[in-house]
Amino acid sequence: EAGVAQSPRYKIIEKRQSVAFWCNPISGHATLYWYQQILGQGPKLLIQFQNNGVVDDSQLPKDRFSAERLKGVDSTLKIQPAKLEDSAVYLCASSPQGEPGGYTFGSGTRLTVV
Amino acid sequence: GNSVTQMEGPVTLSEEAFLTINCTYTATGYPSLFWYVQYPGEGLQLLLKATKADDKGSNKGFEATYRKETTSFHLEKGSVQVSDSAVYFCALVNTGFQKLVFGTGTRLLVSP
Repeated sequence: EAGVAQSPRYKIIEKRQSVAFWCNPISGHATLYWYQQILGQGPKLLIQFQNNGVVDDSQLPKDRFSAERLKGVDSTLKIQPAKLEDSAVYLCASSPQGEPGGYTFGSGTRLTVV
Repeated sequence: GNSVTQMEGPVTLSEEAFLTINCTYTATGYPSLFWYVQYPGEGLQLLLKATKADDKGSNKGFEATYRKETTSFHLEKGSVQVSDSAVYFCALVNTGFQKLVFGTGTRLLVSP
């Protein structure tokens, strides 16, 4: 079974620039998550999709972050404009519907904002 | 709200030593509990889980028991190896929700 694919693996941008991350979940997984992991901290949920609908985006800074999951498959997370404090690893995960905690994580995208 | 508290790291041990990483939680209802491991340069991997009180999760020599009375889920291993060096995260999922709530992680360093 193929895992959760994320790209790019690394990204360095200047503050105020924009950046986008891509995630392709495991085939058939209805639920997709984006987490932000700041160095030295645990991952924090940014947004959760069920198929192509948003279930929870309460922690997403909506003035600069946006995410979409068209057709209920792959997903894109965008930051515009980026701030220094957005430097983090952005993790994508997916799980089958109705399986709490049955996540598979991707390797993540490490973003550095300078 | 739901939260997870882990012991501060790093935890530094010699090979074959006994490992305990403490984890306590706060949650309404009856959460499921998890330990995830993150090896250097890699993504998070599920290590073990327990879904109800008194359940014991185990994998790769690691164990953790769901203790409702003490709201704890401490991770243990009888004899650690250098290859166990990683960051370990305790997490919970509450009934009715699917989002994982993580602790801050504990770095384990094992020397030969």
